[in-house]
Amino acid sequence: KAGVTQTPRYLIKTRGQQVTLSCSPISGHRSVSWYQQTPGQGLQFLFEYFSETQRNKGNFPGRFSGRQFSNSRSEMNVSTLELGDSALYLCASSLKAGGPGNIQYFGAGTRLSVL
Amino acid sequence: EDQVTQSPEALRLQEGESSSLNCSYTVSGLRGLFWYRQDPGKGPEFLFTLYSAGEEKEKERLKATLTKKESFLHITAPKPEDSATYLCAVQEGPGGTSYGKLTFGQGTILTVHP
Repeated sequence: KAGVTQTPRYLIKTRGQQVTLSCSPISGHRSVSWYQQTPGQGLQFLFEYFSETQRNKGNFPGRFSGRQFSNSRSEMNVSTLELGDSALYLCASSLKAGGPGNIQYFGAGTRLSVL
Repeated sequence: EDQVTQSPEALRLQEGESSSLNCSYTVSGLRGLFWYRQDPGKGPEFLFTLYSAGEEKEKERLKATLTKKESFLHITAPKPEDSATYLCAVQEGPGGTSYGKLTFGQGTILTVHP
C-alpha cells in the first residue's frame, strides 16, 4: 500500500513569490493535515482538511492556505514568500478527522528554501 | 493551550545501554498520545499511540508508557540503527478548541554509538 506522497521534494523560491505544494494521501484516507517543521519551532500545525472542508487551523498568517479535492488529494499554497517561510512542510493523512485511534501518517515532506 | 515538553533534548548512549525519554504534557482532555521516530531528511514515522493512564505498548526494543501527566519511551539495549529524533505529540479530545490536531514536543535526538 503506497504511503503519503508529497511533491515536489525540494523547492527554491525567492522572496515575494508564491508556491504550491501537493499531497496525495494513503488510499482510503479522507483527512489531510499540514505541518511546518523548522529547527527553532519544531513541528507546528497549519491546517486540517476532511471531505474538502477545512476542519481546523493553526496560528499562521493568511498567506498560508490550502484546499482538498474530491479524491482527498490536498494542496497547500503560500503567497508572498518570506525568508522565514523556509522550512520542511509535512503532510499527514488519516482515515478520518479527529476521533479515537485516528493515527496520522506522514509523507517525506517538501523542503522549501526561500532566498 | 496544549503543551508538550520533551527531555532530554539530546541523549548519547553506548550500544546496549538502556535509557528512557520523557514527554510531559498539558492538554484539556487527552484523546491520544503519539510517539514518532524521525530520521534526517524524512517525515515522522509512527511508533505508538497511547490513550489512557496505565497503558503500555511495546515494539522490538521500544516500550511506551503513559501516566496522567507524562509518557516515557524506554529503549532497551539500543543499537546504532535506533539513532533518530523521537517526537511525542498529543491530540486533544472533543470539546477542545484544537480538537483533532497534533501538538508536538521539540523532540529528543538519540545517538547510539557502537
